[in-house]
Amino acid sequence: DTEVTQTPKHLVMGMTNKKSLKCEQHMGHRAMYWYKQKAKKPPELMFVYSYEKLSINESVPSRFSPECPNSSLLNLHLHALQPEDSALYLCASSQSRDVYEQYFGPGTRLTVT
Amino acid sequence: RKEVEQDPGPFNVPEGATVAFNCTYSNSASQSFFWYRQDCRKEPKLLMSVYSSGNEDGRFTAQLNRASQYISLLIRDSKLSDSATYLCVVNRGGSYIPTFGRGTSLIVHP
Repeated sequence: DTEVTQTPKHLVMGMTNKKSLKCEQHMGHRAMYWYKQKAKKPPELMFVYSYEKLSINESVPSRFSPECPNSSLLNLHLHALQPEDSALYLCASSQSRDVYEQYFGPGTRLTVT
Repeated sequence: RKEVEQDPGPFNVPEGATVAFNCTYSNSASQSFFWYRQDCRKEPKLLMSVYSSGNEDGRFTAQLNRASQYISLLIRDSKLSDSATYLCVVNRGGSYIPTFGRGTSLIVHP
C-alpha cells in the first residue's frame, strides 16, 4: 500500500476561522512533510517531521501550526489565514528524512475568503 | 542562481517522438536526485530516482552529470499519456531538504 490520504479534499474558510488539515499514511514511513503549492509553481516545503518530531520549519508563519500525533498521522492547524494562503496543500511521506523518495497525498485545495 | 533550474517549456512533441529535459543544480554537495511527474491539478508522483550510473525504466532514462551539475530525463516513443509537468528534485546540498525545480511542461499531440 503506497497511499497517502488527505482530508478534506476542498476547504473554504474565512480569515477568522480555525480549521485543520489531516494526512495519514500506513507505509511505516518515519518522515512526513507538508508542502504548499500555488498554481503553475512547484511545491514549496513548509515542514518536515522525522520520527514524530519537527525537524524542519521553512520559516512558515505561525498561523500554520503542524502536529504529528503519531507515526501515521500529520495535521496542519490553520488560524487567521490570509487570502494569499489559498493554495493546494500537499502532504508527503518517505521512509526516513534521509530517503528522498516521497509519496504524496492528493492534497487539500484551500480557499481563504 | 536558483538552487534547481528547469526550462519551463512547454515542449510540444508528436506521438512517438523522443524528448529530453535537463535540470541544473547549483550546489555541488547535492547527493540525491529524482524526477517526479505531476498531472494538472493532481499530486506529484515519483517517476524515478537518478543514480550516478544512470537509471532506465522502460521508455524513460535518467542520467546524472556531476561535472556539469545537471540531471536529464529522456522519454522515448512519447505517448499522449506522457503529457504532464516533469519536476526534478534535488536535496539541498549537504542537507536532507528536498528542493523542487519549477517543472517542465510536456505536451504530446497526435
